Amino acid sequence: EVQLVESGGGFVQPGGSLRLSCEASGFSISSYWMAWVRQAPGKGLEWVANINQDGSEKNYVDSVKGRFTISRDNAKNSLYLQMNSLRAEDTAVYYCAKDHGYDTFWDWGQGTLVTVSS
Amino acid sequence: QSALTQPASVSGSPGQSITISCTGTSNDVGGYNYVSWYQQHPGKAPKLMIYEVSNRPSGVSNRFSGSKSGNTASLTISGLQAEDEADYYCSSYRGTSTLGIFGGGTKLTVL
Repeated sequence: EVQLVESGGGFVQPGGSLRLSCEASGFSISSYWMAWVRQAPGKGLEWVANINQDGSEKNYVDSVKGRFTISRDNAKNSLYLQMNSLRAEDTAVYYCAKDHGYDTFWDWGQGTLVTVSS
Repeated sequence: QSALTQPASVSGSPGQSITISCTGTSNDVGGYNYVSWYQQHPGKAPKLMIYEVSNRPSGVSNRFSGSKSGNTASLTISGLQAEDEADYYCSSYRGTSTLGIFGGGTKLTVL
């Protein structure tokens, strides 16, 4: 059974940092693009970033470029999102998702809440 | 372009059919047959309901169907049931070296 389990969310002040992790089981992430998608409270889904199988290609939404870094450790079957210079507008549930190709997400984690507030 | 255009809300009575539209451009919906639809219940993760415009993953009811014409994709739910009440999001591929794009979401109310 495919499982994605996010961790690392929490409460942080503006300008602070957090590192999200996503541990996969039931499949090897080395065969898939992986992505982070977020959802602000009461809002819709928003792409954050994705990364290819070997980590050599990464894409980011404009609003997080230069602040967030997506990475992966295929040996640990894990995906990461390093978030720096956090802003109030980054407050959201962050989902880890497995891309089956062409940005189609068959599997999602349960999400981890990031709250940025003073 | 910040999001594909979906109606904010739709409603229908049990047993009826509803259709949710998703309008993009030739750079996304109109340019690729990689439109997906997700269902999200409150407090839950999204669930894939339709992929590649009109395909259903195993386990998804055949009451859900998808189609596309030009720059607009559509999700139709027939024989509405109370459990279908949820938010629905479309998504489209936009090519390599760029992220995909989601719709703004549609809240389905089963009356």
